[in-house]
Amino acid sequence: KQEVTQIPAALSVPEGENLVLNCSFTDSAIYNLQWFRQDPGKGLTSLLLIQSSQREQTSGRLNASLDKSSGRSTLYIAASQPGDSATYLCAVTNQAGTALIFGKGTTLSVSS
Amino acid sequence: GEEVAQTPKHLVRGEGQKAKLYCAPIKGHSYVFWYQQVLKNEFKFLISFQNENVFDETGMPKERFSAKCLPNSPCSLEIQATKLEDSAVYFCASSQTQVFSYEQYFGPGTRLTVT
Repeated sequence: KQEVTQIPAALSVPEGENLVLNCSFTDSAIYNLQWFRQDPGKGLTSLLLIQSSQREQTSGRLNASLDKSSGRSTLYIAASQPGDSATYLCAVTNQAGTALIFGKGTTLSVSS
Repeated sequence: GEEVAQTPKHLVRGEGQKAKLYCAPIKGHSYVFWYQQVLKNEFKFLISFQNENVFDETGMPKERFSAKCLPNSPCSLEIQATKLEDSAVYFCASSQTQVFSYEQYFGPGTRLTVT
């Protein structure tokens, strides 16, 4: 059974720092991995999608990497801003490719 | 539409009452997914559809939960005889085609409170 773990559970940094969020999964037979952002009381915003054949994806200050063989992904946020404060969730497709399995998220707080 | 729409935003039901939630996927998306977020960050997959056909229902509590996606109508998730433990935010997501290749786009959620 696929399990997704995110470390750390919470992170507080001052504005301007570069930071890395970690995601690990137990079954490497995934189709893709998706990083989401959730603001309090809101839905999920898709940040990056990495196909299983890809190693990384970039969007603005965000860079996500995927090492399928070791079951790991990282989300790198450059020059963090207070507006980046949110919960970041990592999700992988299940073995059948029919649903997403989520980690419990990393709650990020960026202070000005 | 360009966004996944969910109604209502909030729903309060007494224990034992029925709850019905609605989802309109992004126009042109063939796949619809329902997830339940209990506690702060625990997402649980419930069911997915490919057009009006059930794609994967392995996450559905069969006894009280049911869902439909009918042509030309919003998809729906219905909970018969709600229990306190059903209190959660229910998210709907849609995907374009070939679910494992494309991003899932999420709606704003429906917060169900069972009292």
